[in-house]
Amino acid sequence: AQKITQTQPGMFVQEKEAVTLDCTYDTSDPSYGLFWYKQPSSGEMIFLIYQGSYDQQNATEGRYSLNFQKARKSANLVISASQLGDSAMYFCAMTRTHQFYFGTGTSLTVIP
Amino acid sequence: EAQVTQNPRYLITVTGKKLTVTCSQNMNHEYMSWYRQDPGLGLRQIYYSMNVEVTDKGDVPEGYKVSRKEKRNFPLILESPSPNQTSLYFCASGGVAGGGNEQFFGPGTRLTVL
Repeated sequence: AQKITQTQPGMFVQEKEAVTLDCTYDTSDPSYGLFWYKQPSSGEMIFLIYQGSYDQQNATEGRYSLNFQKARKSANLVISASQLGDSAMYFCAMTRTHQFYFGTGTSLTVIP
Repeated sequence: EAQVTQNPRYLITVTGKKLTVTCSQNMNHEYMSWYRQDPGLGLRQIYYSMNVEVTDKGDVPEGYKVSRKEKRNFPLILESPSPNQTSLYFCASGGVAGGGNEQFFGPGTRLTVL
């Protein structure tokens, strides 16, 4: 069963606008972690942000914030003030019981 | 410089010829892991290791072996590669047994099995 679902295969956003990338997850464990990674066309995996299941506040890292809605099992990534360099694949991931599960990714294109 | 290294970066081989992809990290991380990335499927975990001599299967372990004899190294072994193992492979390492802290990824190894 798919544990991480990213329903947006491709997204477009105007430069300087904000964009939300959707992610829903499925687990019955009370303890888990949620991550977002960026993969530019060069192929490397870049860590963006982490949210623990017990964290009370939404995680933020610079222009990235994670909108964590536990009851809905969603962990959407919000990128504010998009830049051309944000064009990339974005993967949502979950860790529980030491295993990691990744979504299929969202391709984001920032339009000048 | 803190990093995860993988070798080789690119490899073309033939069906049935045993190969090893090496992975090494210099951050003294306990947790290491291997993933494969295929178009439309995202990354899938092959094996992970929580410490020396402790390894466990991920979601797609069939056809792969690993070992963790030293903390810094976590090689991926394909005893008899097949064309369906053609993929992009990533090694990653992290602290706190993979939970809580970010994983640092290697640059990837693109494997083609003919």
